[in-house]
Amino acid sequence: GAVVSQHPSRVICKSGTSVKIECRSLDFQATTMFWYRQFPKKSLMLMATSNEGSKATYEQGVEKDKFLINHASLTLSTLTVTSAHPEDSSFYICSAIIRVLSNYGYTFGSGTRLTVV
Amino acid sequence: GENVEQHPSTLSVQEGDSAVIKCTYSDSASNYFPWYKQELGKRPQLIIDIRSNVGEKKDQRIAVTLNKTAKHFSLHITETQPEDSAVYFCAASPTFSSGSARQLTFGSGTQLTVLP
Repeated sequence: GAVVSQHPSRVICKSGTSVKIECRSLDFQATTMFWYRQFPKKSLMLMATSNEGSKATYEQGVEKDKFLINHASLTLSTLTVTSAHPEDSSFYICSAIIRVLSNYGYTFGSGTRLTVV
Repeated sequence: GENVEQHPSTLSVQEGDSAVIKCTYSDSASNYFPWYKQELGKRPQLIIDIRSNVGEKKDQRIAVTLNKTAKHFSLHITETQPEDSAVYFCAASPTFSSGSARQLTFGSGTQLTVLP
């Protein structure tokens, strides 16, 4: 249970185009979704936190106009990389909070490898 | 905000030996400390976690210890096997006073190599 489905798994796009990444919670409602970016051999860095029905909260240094996040329903959050450039090439991964017995935990999407050429 | 530091960045051990990875955190409000194993291009996989109301937790060959006073926690892997080779991340998260969870902050990662 508590699966987050992330698509696409890999995408190659040309500089200047936009790419949308989707994360769907399959068997639970994700009121909060976290979006991370991971460069090769580096850690997962939080980009933004999205809450269903409200504006996303972006971490310092992350351009909100470039990385558009939409969380219009309890089961779908999307990240759109607008006007992508080669430096945006990275591994993007979403994460949602889940209930674990009387506590909480986290589940992750399978990640999206974005390559901008 | 929370800052999590992880050491070492690389660790090589002989098969059968033990491996220890250490992390420190800065936010005293953090009370959930998971450890993840990540293979190249894959999602992080939870291998063990600990909450602030316990000091140690063990699951077969894997154990985690937590020292809240010193703000550090460690991952211990015994009887290492080649398939344990991967990148391991520690993480920490606090909860709001309302009980709602917040985001995970990850350590920088440790590349563990188990030599056959």
